[in-house]
Amino acid sequence: GENVEQHPSTLSVQEGDSAVIKCTYSDSASNYFPWYKQELGKRPQLIIDIRSNVGEKKDQRIAVTLNKTAKHFSLHITETQPEDSAVYFCAADTGRRALTFGSGTRLQVQP
Amino acid sequence: NAGVTQTPKFRVLKTGQSMTLLCAQDMNHEYMYWYRQDPGMGLRLIHYSVGEGTTAKGEVPDGYNVSRLKKQNFLLGLESAAPSQTSVYFCASSYRPITGELFFGEGSRLTVL
Repeated sequence: GENVEQHPSTLSVQEGDSAVIKCTYSDSASNYFPWYKQELGKRPQLIIDIRSNVGEKKDQRIAVTLNKTAKHFSLHITETQPEDSAVYFCAADTGRRALTFGSGTRLQVQP
Repeated sequence: NAGVTQTPKFRVLKTGQSMTLLCAQDMNHEYMYWYRQDPGMGLRLIHYSVGEGTTAKGEVPDGYNVSRLKKQNFLLGLESAAPSQTSVYFCASSYRPITGELFFGEGSRLTVL
């Protein structure tokens, strides 16, 4: 089945710096790659996604890049703010009509 | 519009006891999912449903059963709870498979002693 690996598991940055989280996947047939954000004690929520027909997508301070050849995609957060502190999950679609999630990255933005 | 609602939010069980988690959504979504979240392991799919009356196994289905008798409800059952099933359980729904945004419930924290 699909395997999604996510790195790093924890990331600490200073407010205003950039943060990058990377994921690799194993199934070359995967075409959809969303990112979910989970604040402490809350439910995960979709923040951005990308499909295999594009290499990059931006939404204000967040962006996602995709390299299908290398089978990896990354989340980029610029000008980080304390409210960006959360756990971020990457995911990829599988043949089961469901998503396989990475293990999560705990981002801490230091004020 | 409550979205996705899970009950109960907290439960403590003894090994061997049974229980059912209820997930209800009011968005008329066809697709519903049960995930478990464990530290360092992300969200793992237990079972899912592509419509009323259908269910399918996910990555970690052993020890769990599900039912989708009504479109808006998806039940997760533990017939004989084990300590390894201590986890936070999330239900989610979407309007289309794979590329549809997952709308999660608030989670149910289950402890099995």
